[in-house]
Amino acid sequence: QVQLVESGGGVVQPGRSLRLSCTASGLTFGAYGMHWVRQAPGKGLEWVAFISFDGNKRDHAASVAGRFIVSRDNSKNTLYLQMNSLRREDTAVYYCATDEVVAAAEGATYCDHWGHGTLIIVS
Amino acid sequence: DIQMTQSPSSLSASVGDRVTITCRASQNVGKYLNWYQHKPGRAPKVLIYGAFNLVRGVPSRFSGSGSGTDFTLTISRLQTEDFATYYCQQTYSTSPGFGGGTKVDIK
Repeated sequence: QVQLVESGGGVVQPGRSLRLSCTASGLTFGAYGMHWVRQAPGKGLEWVAFISFDGNKRDHAASVAGRFIVSRDNSKNTLYLQMNSLRREDTAVYYCATDEVVAAAEGATYCDHWGHGTLIIVS
Repeated sequence: DIQMTQSPSSLSASVGDRVTITCRASQNVGKYLNWYQHKPGRAPKVLIYGAFNLVRGVPSRFSGSGSGTDFTLTISRLQTEDFATYYCQQTYSTSPGFGGGTKVDIK
């Protein structure tokens, strides 16, 4: 059974930094690309970042580019999100999710397994 | 960035109703379009990938259609457990953004 557990959330002042972790079990972590997705209070889902299975490819949303950095340690089955220069608008529940690639569907991808999220409050 | 626009933003329906949610992309995303269900306090759940492929274990009352810029999620006969918020997501670009969501609640 796949489990993703996010940690590192809490209350932080604007301008400060925080690092989130997502620890995986029940899967071969190093075989999967991973996403961070967030949901601000009363708002919809917002994609934040992606990292390939080997860490060689990374993408970040324009809203966090230059402030947030996604990384991973496959030896520890852990995904990270380093969040710098935090703003009030970064307040949200942050989810990690696995990236599933379906070769038979022309390489369609989707966020398959999700954690239950960790709340960041920037205030 | 590709913008995803869902409509309506909310709807009220009764158990047994047929519900249709639309998603429009600001540019061609082919069939790289997913649908998710999200309930408060829970993790999002993927329903449909590649525009029309039902994820294993998802009830067959859910279906997806469309390609290019216009997509539809249909729930053929709404059940109690289907009251939730639904999101589309394009995975055509390297920034796989979501639509704004459609909240389905009880009439």
